Amino acid sequence: GAVVSQHPSWVICKSGTSVKIECRSLDFQATTMFWYRQFPKQSLMLMATSNEGSKATYEQGVEKDKFLINHASLTLSTLTVTSAHPEDSSFYICSAGKDAGDFTDTQYFGPGTRLTVL
Amino acid sequence: AQKITQTQPGMFVQEKEAVTLDCTYDTSDQSYGLFWYKQPSSGEMIFLIYQGSYDEQNATEGRYSLNFQKARKSANLVISASQLGDSAMYFCAITEKDSSYKLIFGSGTRLLVRP
Repeated sequence: GAVVSQHPSWVICKSGTSVKIECRSLDFQATTMFWYRQFPKQSLMLMATSNEGSKATYEQGVEKDKFLINHASLTLSTLTVTSAHPEDSSFYICSAGKDAGDFTDTQYFGPGTRLTVL
Repeated sequence: AQKITQTQPGMFVQEKEAVTLDCTYDTSDQSYGLFWYKQPSSGEMIFLIYQGSYDEQNATEGRYSLNFQKARKSANLVISASQLGDSAMYFCAITEKDSSYKLIFGSGTRLLVRP
């Protein structure tokens, strides 16, 4: 199988605080993981590509200093939303592939994290 | 231009009947992959089926099949014998060899299966 977990599944925080979301590949190693954001009734928008041992690559319009990504190992990537504000409230979902260096590789998704900023 | 276009915001289908969800794509890359994912109300993204640009045969996975028409740049998903549990959002997506293997999604189609 190819299982990806995310923690927490939901989080409520106060405006101005930081929130960390973990994404783990449970039964395979992932050199590359991806972070997406999904607003209600909309599609997934890629935020950044997380590469193990190197800096993440952010999509245009995504603030690097606000959305900190760390890919510390082949099975773990974290997304930290710094100084969160209500407009950051969204569904964040990660994905990983077994061989993300191959464009034919299937990406498997975590269950997502619903962030609500009060 | 949109990389992936899904023109059906919503679809109804009667239980046990087949349904086709449309997807057209736009790429100048010769090497690409097309994916369909299902997203139930719980939010998880479930991989359904994959079609490579060089695959000559249409992909099939159980009740899911992909009607791949390369010249028309379409990759429609066919679900046979619809079940109530098929009610969900369905997303078509593409990866391109020249684009760092990023997965680009369409806007999705909401499918409702009627009993």
